[in-house]
Amino acid sequence: QVQLVQSGAEVKKPGASVKVSCEASGYTFTSYYMHWVRQAPGQGLEWLGILNPSVGSTSYAQKFQGRVTLTRHTSTSTVYMELSSLISEDTAVYYCARGAAAGNPYFDSWGQGTLVTVSS
Amino acid sequence: EIVMTQSPATLSVSPGERATLSCRASQSVSSNLAWYQQKPGQAPRLLIYGASTRATGIPARFSGSGSGTEFTLTISSLQSEDFAVYYCQQYNNWPPMTFGQGTKVKIK
Repeated sequence: QVQLVQSGAEVKKPGASVKVSCEASGYTFTSYYMHWVRQAPGQGLEWLGILNPSVGSTSYAQKFQGRVTLTRHTSTSTVYMELSSLISEDTAVYYCARGAAAGNPYFDSWGQGTLVTVSS
Repeated sequence: EIVMTQSPATLSVSPGERATLSCRASQSVSSNLAWYQQKPGQAPRLLIYGASTRATGIPARFSGSGSGTEFTLTISSLQSEDFAVYYCQQYNNWPPMTFGQGTKVKIK
């Protein structure tokens, strides 16, 4: 079965960077796009960006352009999300989410989430 | 950016009753709309895509309808496990994909 397993919680100071991993299993890694979505405490869902694991191409929400970078290691079926210049408003649970087949950009499997806390 | 607006923010329903949740888009998204369910401390789960197609393993009591700018998620007979927050998401015009702010379905 499809599994997305994310790295553990992080605590960072303002201005620092954080890198969260998402290891995929149970399917052909390069055949499905991977997205990242975040959720601030008690808030809704916010899309950050998308990665094509086959070729490494990316697209980001304009709000995060220049601060977010998505990469992947195909040998380990792992996708990474790095967010830089952290501010307190970046405190949130970050999810990786697999895009559905045929490039459809809705999300049929989700990681368990990684809490990133930004605090001085 | 397409803005998704869900109503109501909170819906109080008794077990066994029907729940009707609404989602409105600021411009047409055709049928490119998905619904998710999220329980406390869990990741969202895909319920509906293409506005009306149930995802794998989703019970038949969940149904979606609508197109263009107006969408509805109906839960025909609420079970205890259905009390959760529900989000709609458009994927017609992106980036960015955008979500509604959520509707919380709580026990009456």
